[in-house]
Amino acid sequence: DADVTQTPRNRITKTGKRIMLECSQTKGHDRMYWYRQDPGLGLRLIYYSFDVKDINKGEISDGYSVSRQAQAKFSLSLESAIPNQTALYFCATSDRGLDAGYTFGSGTRLTVV
Amino acid sequence: GEDVEQSLFLSVREGDSSVINCTYTDSSSTYLYWYKQEPGAGLQLLTYIFSNMDMKQDQRLTVLLNKKDKHLSLRIADTQTGDSAIYFCAELSDGGYQKVTFGTGTKLQVIP
Repeated sequence: DADVTQTPRNRITKTGKRIMLECSQTKGHDRMYWYRQDPGLGLRLIYYSFDVKDINKGEISDGYSVSRQAQAKFSLSLESAIPNQTALYFCATSDRGLDAGYTFGSGTRLTVV
Repeated sequence: GEDVEQSLFLSVREGDSSVINCTYTDSSSTYLYWYKQEPGAGLQLLTYIFSNMDMKQDQRLTVLLNKKDKHLSLRIADTQTGDSAIYFCAELSDGGYQKVTFGTGTKLQVIP
């Protein structure tokens, strides 16, 4: 099994719909992150969580919310999807010692029509 | 805020060396990373360098850090078609929140 599993892998949804992207990790790490990737813009941080009770906004949190259900689970919701939220979304996890970097999931490709 | 810049595209011939460059603005960077993203996959950590080092070598990969100019490079020796991917530079800021900022990514195309 993958260290970081994201579901679904691909999703097409309509404008105005609520959608949830799920992420689970088996690394036993406390820290989890949600990023979106857009061509030419790299990765931008949406939300991050350092433990179950600690959730923080990243640089582009508007229009998104998150839930940290357990140490291993961190979900991202789009309350009312809009077309400019079409992107590739990545979940990642890290240990406190950041020399090991982040472990990423395989991504969710979301299209909002 | 922190900024990490890379050129968007690099094309090399198989067997040649590739050099991917990155510049960053944060003088408090502690770790600098190189990630590789293959098509349809997430980012995978290739290597990292601590800010008090100038160079790190790992098999075909050589990382050079010029802290004065805030310039990081990744050299891939004997580039293979399997090296075709997007390469992201990232830096860790030693602020209150240990924030990692990613560059825009460089797409490496290896021509057989």
